[in-house]
Amino acid sequence: EDKVVQSPLSLVVHEGDTVTLNCSYEVTNFRSLLWYKQEKKAPTFLFMLTSSGIEKKSGRLSSILDKKELFSILNITATQTGDSAVYLCAVSGTYKYIFGTGTRLKVLA
Amino acid sequence: NAGVMQNPRHLVRRRGQEARLRCSPMKGHSHVYWYRQLPEEGLKFMVYLQKENIIDESGMPKERFSAEFPKEGPSILRIQQVVRGDSAAYFCASSDRPGEKLFFGSGTQLSVL
Repeated sequence: EDKVVQSPLSLVVHEGDTVTLNCSYEVTNFRSLLWYKQEKKAPTFLFMLTSSGIEKKSGRLSSILDKKELFSILNITATQTGDSAVYLCAVSGTYKYIFGTGTRLKVLA
Repeated sequence: NAGVMQNPRHLVRRRGQEARLRCSPMKGHSHVYWYRQLPEEGLKFMVYLQKENIIDESGMPKERFSAEFPKEGPSILRIQQVVRGDSAAYFCASSDRPGEKLFFGSGTQLSVL
C-alpha cells in the first residue's frame, strides 16, 4: 500500500533556528514529490521534486529528493514566526497524491 | 486566472440531510481530486476524477458518498444522509496532468448537527 511518513510530528524552535523536516515514502510508479505549507486553510504549494539530488530553493526554504533511499527533506533556515504552520509532504503515484500527516512547526519569537 | 474555487465555505446540515459540495478547478485543469481533513490530521484521499470519468474512488466510502465531474459545470461531492462523523473540512484540488503541481481550493467546512 502506498504511504508517506513525515517526521517529526511536531517541532518547536526559536526565531533564527534552522529546521529540517523529513518525508519518507513508498509508492507505486513514482511521478513526483511535493511539499505544501498549511496554515489555517488551504495548503499552499512550496516545491515539486522529480529528480534525485537536485536542490530546489526559494528564499530561506530548500528541498532535495533521494529516489534511491525514498525520502526528501525540507530545510528552513533563519526561521521566522510566519513560518509557523503544518508542512505537508505528498507523493504522486499512478493516479493519486498521497499525503503524510504533516509536521507541525511552531516558531517562537 | 482564477484558482480552484470551492463553495460553500461553510455548510451546516442536520443528521439525515444531504450535503452537496462544489468545486470548479483551475482554468485548463481537467483532473480533480477530493480530500477530507479532520482537525489535527492529514489530508485523506477520497476520489480522483477526470472530465466525466471517475478514475479512482478507493478512498471514498461506498455508501452515502458520490462524486461527479460533468462535461459542463463544477465537480460535485455529494454526501447523503449525513452523520456527525462526516463533519470535516473537504478540500478539492486540481492539476493539468497527474504528477504535476496540485492546486487547492479553500475548502468546505461541513458541520453536522
